[in-house]
Amino acid sequence: DTEVTQTPKHLVMGMTNKKSLKCEQHMGHRAMYWYKQKAKKPPELMFVYSYEKLSINESVPSRFSPECPNSSLLNLHLHALQPEDSALYLCASSHGRRTGELFFGEGSRLTVL
Amino acid sequence: GEDVEQSLFLSVREGDSSVINCTYTDSSSTYLYWYKQEPGAGLQLLTYIFSNMDMKQDQRLTVLLNKKDKHLSLRIADTQTGDSAIYFCAEIPLTKMLYGGGKLIFGQGTTLQVKP
Repeated sequence: DTEVTQTPKHLVMGMTNKKSLKCEQHMGHRAMYWYKQKAKKPPELMFVYSYEKLSINESVPSRFSPECPNSSLLNLHLHALQPEDSALYLCASSHGRRTGELFFGEGSRLTVL
Repeated sequence: GEDVEQSLFLSVREGDSSVINCTYTDSSSTYLYWYKQEPGAGLQLLTYIFSNMDMKQDQRLTVLLNKKDKHLSLRIADTQTGDSAIYFCAEIPLTKMLYGGGKLIFGQGTTLQVKP
């Protein structure tokens, strides 16, 4: 199994809603990532979890809250988002020793109304 | 500093070779990467090169690295319409590496258009 699975594929939410994005991998990878990607732009790193601990937070607003319940799962909790947060949210994972070889999911397309 | 630059667009005819270029600034990066993103999909690692290598070939893909000029290129031989995508060059500087993960620095991406 060499897949990173993200759900939902599409999400539309209002600015007062609370929702979550989910990510799962069964490759035994110990690093998991959240990226945000706007159209025609490179992905921007948001968070990195290493061995289930938050190791990088790229000064992301608190309306985005990551959670790593175990080594296979990664969540991104969303609350009080703004329309400019509309983007493709990509989850990725990597083996501990090969840090640039990321396996990406297909992404969750988020629209904030 | 950390900066990775790529040209934004390349158009080729099917069957021709494509060459996508990238320049980077941080010479501490041990590996350099090429990722491909097809429309509506996530990124897929295409290939990577270790910084002490000059060239790496993998089927239709050839990666050339000029470490002195900090220049990386990706050549796709016999380009097909299925190669139409955005190609991202990326590096991880030593200061951004963690044992369990790291921060990739991506270029802006080159959109490759393959005309039949």
